Amino acid sequence: NAGVMQNPRHLVRRRGQEARLRCSPMKGHSHVYWYRQLPEEGLKFMVYLQKENIIDESGMPKERFSAEFPKEGPSILRIQQVVRGDSAAYFCASSPLRGRSGELFFGEGSRLTVL
Amino acid sequence: GIQVEQSPPDLILQEGANSTLRCNFSDSVNNLQWFHQNPWGQLINLFYIPSGTKQNGRLSATTVATERYSLLYISSSQTTDSGVYFCAVDPGNQFYFGTGTSLTVIP
Repeated sequence: NAGVMQNPRHLVRRRGQEARLRCSPMKGHSHVYWYRQLPEEGLKFMVYLQKENIIDESGMPKERFSAEFPKEGPSILRIQQVVRGDSAAYFCASSPLRGRSGELFFGEGSRLTVL
Repeated sequence: GIQVEQSPPDLILQEGANSTLRCNFSDSVNNLQWFHQNPWGQLINLFYIPSGTKQNGRLSATTVATERYSLLYISSSQTTDSGVYFCAVDPGNQFYFGTGTSLTVIP
């Protein structure tokens, strides 16, 4: 039973380029969350998605960041025109349910370095 | 949003020692989880514990939802327990993480 799969594990981009991070949830999970972790800090919520729907994007920066979870394929977190401050670890989590049974399972993260 | 405070922020233990980590939260929650982030950055699920007590080997956790806190107990610590321990709570819309307790176990 595969866990949450994220790729790439490491990504290096120059300022102004685009970064695309992918997340395949655990089998049977229809809820996907993206979190960002800056060095020496905790995880900050970015966005919560279900298939073809963005449920809560209150943690997403207003510009340059977008997320999707299409009907087929992985969830994508896209960062346009990256800046050095975007360097961080981006974690994806999935859960089978919302509400009182919504245990989160995390992937191994994608570490973005912006030069 | 809900506030999640963890204590202590840092902890150094001799191998074999016991410890208690605390998580306080400012509002009622539907879900609560404890995670261990190992030195390689992986987040490992320890407990899903919105209320009550659970045990798994040398680790156990207790959540008193009415008093808005949770405790993680580590007994007979080992060097592989080193890393950062996060508490995360869900008041109904998303999980909020505490700033973590950084644990170092020395041989």
